[in-house]
Amino acid sequence: QVQLLQSGPEMREPGASLKVSCKASGYTFPTFGISWVRQAPGQGLEWLGWISTYDGDTKYAHNFQGRMTLSTETSTSTAYMELRSLRSGDTAIYYCVRDIGAVAGLFDEWGQGTLVTVSS
Amino acid sequence: DIQMTQSPSTLSASVGDRVTITCRASQNINTWLAWYQQKPGKAPKFLIYKASILESGVPSRFSGSGSGTEFTLTISSLQPDDFATYYCQQYDGFPYTFGQGTKVDIK
Repeated sequence: QVQLLQSGPEMREPGASLKVSCKASGYTFPTFGISWVRQAPGQGLEWLGWISTYDGDTKYAHNFQGRMTLSTETSTSTAYMELRSLRSGDTAIYYCVRDIGAVAGLFDEWGQGTLVTVSS
Repeated sequence: DIQMTQSPSTLSASVGDRVTITCRASQNINTWLAWYQQKPGKAPKFLIYKASILESGVPSRFSGSGSGTEFTLTISSLQPDDFATYYCQQYDGFPYTFGQGTKVDIK
C-alpha cells in the first residue's frame, strides 16, 4: 500500500533552518508530485508548495517563496522540504502529501506529519 | 489568491442526522474542489474530488455537489465515525487554498 514516511519531530531556535524528509513507498515515485501542507496548533490547513517528482519543477505559496526549498531524490523515492529563517509562527505539523492532480493540487495520500517547534 | 469560506464553523448533530456543510469560493473554480476529513491527532483523509466524485472506499452516505463558487458536502445519515473536522480545498490553480474547516461534533 502507498505510504509516506516522514522524519521525526524537530525543535529549532528562531532564525535557524530545518529539513524534513518524506520517503514514499508502494507506488512509482516519479508518477505523482509531492505537495507540502502545514497545520499550526489548533488551526486549519495551509498549502506550502509542490514539486514535480518527474522534472523537479516547483511552485511555492507566496509566503514561502525564497524561504523554502523543495527537492527530491528519485533513487530513494524521498522528498525534502527545507525551511529557513524560522520564526515562532512556523511552529506546526508539516505534512507531505502525494499530489495526484492533473497539474497539482489533489492530495490523496498523506504522511504522518512532522511536528516542528520553533522556540528560543 | 482564491479564498475559500466554509459554513458553519461548528455543527452539532446527532447520529442519524442529515448534515450539510457549505463551501464558497471567492471566484469561479468550476468543479475543481476537494473535501477532506480530519480526526484529532490524525492526518486528513481524502474524501471527494471534482466536487462530487467519491474517492474509492468512502462510504456512500457522503456526497458532494456544486460548481462555480458554491459547493456542499452532505452526510446523509451521520455515523459515530463521522464526528470530525471537514475541509474544502480548491485546486483550480496555484496557490491551492483550504477552507477554515467545519467541526462536526456530538449534540
